[in-house]
Amino acid sequence: SQQGEEDPQALSIQEGENATMNCSYKTSINNLQWYRQNSGRGLVHLILIRSNEREKHSGRLRVTLDTSKKSSSLLITASRAADTASYFCATASANQAGTALIFGKGTTLSVSS
Amino acid sequence: GAVVSQHPSRVICKSGTSVKIECRSLDFQATTMFWYRQFPKKSLMLMATSNEGSKATYEQGVEKDKFLINHASLTLSTLTVTSAHPEDSSFYICSARVRDRNQPQHFGDGTRLSIL
Repeated sequence: SQQGEEDPQALSIQEGENATMNCSYKTSINNLQWYRQNSGRGLVHLILIRSNEREKHSGRLRVTLDTSKKSSSLLITASRAADTASYFCATASANQAGTALIFGKGTTLSVSS
Repeated sequence: GAVVSQHPSRVICKSGTSVKIECRSLDFQATTMFWYRQFPKKSLMLMATSNEGSKATYEQGVEKDKFLINHASLTLSTLTVTSAHPEDSSFYICSARVRDRNQPQHFGDGTRLSIL
C-alpha cells in the first residue's frame, strides 16, 4: 500500500529556476528518503532525513521534514536539464524494523533549456 | 558507493515461459533485498521482502507460487516469474539494504519484462 503522496504530480520549469516538491505521509516514520528515477531506469538515492531532523542539504538539494504535519519537501535550486526525472519520497516505518520503504506516487519534473 | 546489479535489463519471451531475474549487491552485503513492480507512469509497488537464508515475505495480493524469490546469499537474490503471461509484463526493480534501516536502499536498474 502506498503511504506518501507527492505534490505536484508534474512540474515544468526553465533551467536556472528552483523546483519544489512536497510529500505527505500518514503514519509514524523512522526516516524519510527522496529518490530520483530517470525514465526506464532504477532509482537513485538522493537524501535520507531522520525523524528527529528538520532540514538537510546535499549540494543543490534541500530537504525539510515536519513530523507534526507529516510532510516533507524537496527543493532543487538552480535546476538543470539533467534534473529532468521523476522524484519519489519514501518512508521507513517507525514501528516495524526491517520493513520495506513505502513509496509515494512521484513528481515528474521537466526542466527545459 | 553501493552498487546493485540487476540482470537481465530486458526480456521478451513467449507466454508460458518462466523467467529468472537476478539482483546482486556488488560491493556490500545485503541482509535484506526487496522486489518491486512498476507500471508505466506509476509508483513502485512492493512485491516481497527477502532476507538472506529465510523465506521471502510477500505483500498481500502477490502470488508466491507465481513469483518465486530466493535469497541464497548476502549478495544475491533471484525472482522467477513462473509460467509468465502477458499480464505479467511490467518493469521489475530490486533493491538491497544493509541491516541498519537508517541506511538507504540501493536499487538495480530494473528489468523490462515483455510477455508475448
